[in-house]
Amino acid sequence: GAGVSQTPSNKVTEKGKYVELRCDPISGHTALYWYRQSLGQGPEFLIYFQGTGAADDSGLPNDRFFAVRPEGSVSTLKIQRTERGDSAVYLCASSSSAGGTWGELFFGEGSRLTVL
Amino acid sequence: AQSVTQLGSHVSVSEGALVLLRCNYSSSVPPYLFWYVQYPNQGLQLLLKYTSAATLVKGINGFEAEFKKSETSFHLTKPSAHMRDAAEYFCAVSVNSGNTPLVFGKGTRLSVIA
Repeated sequence: GAGVSQTPSNKVTEKGKYVELRCDPISGHTALYWYRQSLGQGPEFLIYFQGTGAADDSGLPNDRFFAVRPEGSVSTLKIQRTERGDSAVYLCASSSSAGGTWGELFFGEGSRLTVL
Repeated sequence: AQSVTQLGSHVSVSEGALVLLRCNYSSSVPPYLFWYVQYPNQGLQLLLKYTSAATLVKGINGFEAEFKKSETSFHLTKPSAHMRDAAEYFCAVSVNSGNTPLVFGKGTRLSVIA
């Protein structure tokens, strides 16, 4: 597709369950980012991939959160033993260092996670 | 480390009035600065960016921002507000080292009154 695609758009789960959120970046973008946006807050950085490897995972809040990008394209954010405090909108973005879009992140519409 | 502070979580203006959304940054190296807009139920989209060229940057939908190093500011303005400008606006900072993550402010919600 032309833009960043995230699935599911909405996910409701129970406390303690495992959740996977998927991101399909813009074709050809080598960099991929995950952010988390809580109500009334700005996006909070979680992890950044350059190609297949995590270049910076300093924003992951704890070891229940993990992300992969095995082929350098699609990425999956995995949350184990979900807690109510994990409820937020999870945003994915991709970017390219080429040309006039240097530094610009292209965002998906997000996956809204609700933990009951 | 970089950070941004957006003054005012909510700004309300009348249609046709000047829009001024404030952003101050903190960075130990020359920053790259961005404004993003988030319309209801949509993803964030770039309004404009400063990348060390002209200090006055023009973006989409009539918005512009001026980089002022002496004031560590990057305020967003628009001469005349439209109803369609009602949205959440985020200021963000990065550094000149490739695809580094953006650090976002908490956002300012703009309301436009008819």
